[in-house]
Amino acid sequence: DVKVTQSSRYLVKRTGEKVFLECVQDMDHENMFWYRQDPGLGLRLIYFSYDVKMKEKGDIPEGYSVSREKKERFSLILESASTNQTSMYLCATLRASGYTFGSGTRLTVV
Amino acid sequence: GDSVTQMEGPVTLSEEAFLTINCTYTATGYPSLFWYVQYPGEGLQLLLKATKADDKGSNKGFEATYRKETTSFHLEKGSVQVSDSAVYFCALNNNAGNMLTFGGGTRLMVKP
Repeated sequence: DVKVTQSSRYLVKRTGEKVFLECVQDMDHENMFWYRQDPGLGLRLIYFSYDVKMKEKGDIPEGYSVSREKKERFSLILESASTNQTSMYLCATLRASGYTFGSGTRLTVV
Repeated sequence: GDSVTQMEGPVTLSEEAFLTINCTYTATGYPSLFWYVQYPGEGLQLLLKATKADDKGSNKGFEATYRKETTSFHLEKGSVQVSDSAVYFCALNNNAGNMLTFGGGTRLMVKP
């Protein structure tokens, strides 16, 4: 089975900090995604990547950027964290049989 | 654009009760439809899917039928268990990029 590993389960950061959320997959999948999950809003797509060094904006990219220097790693960056970015962040990969999600990183910005 | 609407939770049931979680969608063309489940502390897992009208997806006792005439994909289970307590997400895929559009999620709580 594909494994998608998110480096941190819980994070607490201060307003204005630069935050890195890391996601690593153990298969050779091109497609990787970052979503944020909020109660009542479901999952909303922040950014996705079809290949190394390629990135595309999703529905809510404002305040975020991403990095994909190696195929197995897709990083989400909060350039200057704000309290409205407190959320659960989910990474996913896509193959022919469907999506595989990581366990999520719950980020709290204080 | 595409959208998915599902009933708000939480839904609280006793063990062995019948479950229905409603899901309706708005999309052009012929999307594929999915139900994902998120158990506490875990990521989302695919529960079932249907790719064309009148298809029925099923898994672990859960079923959902793709109804194009009512643009619905309601999730049902005849007898829920405590272990079914989770958050359930309805989703659709309607583009070549295979990106998913999710509903807001419905929390199910099953009491013994």
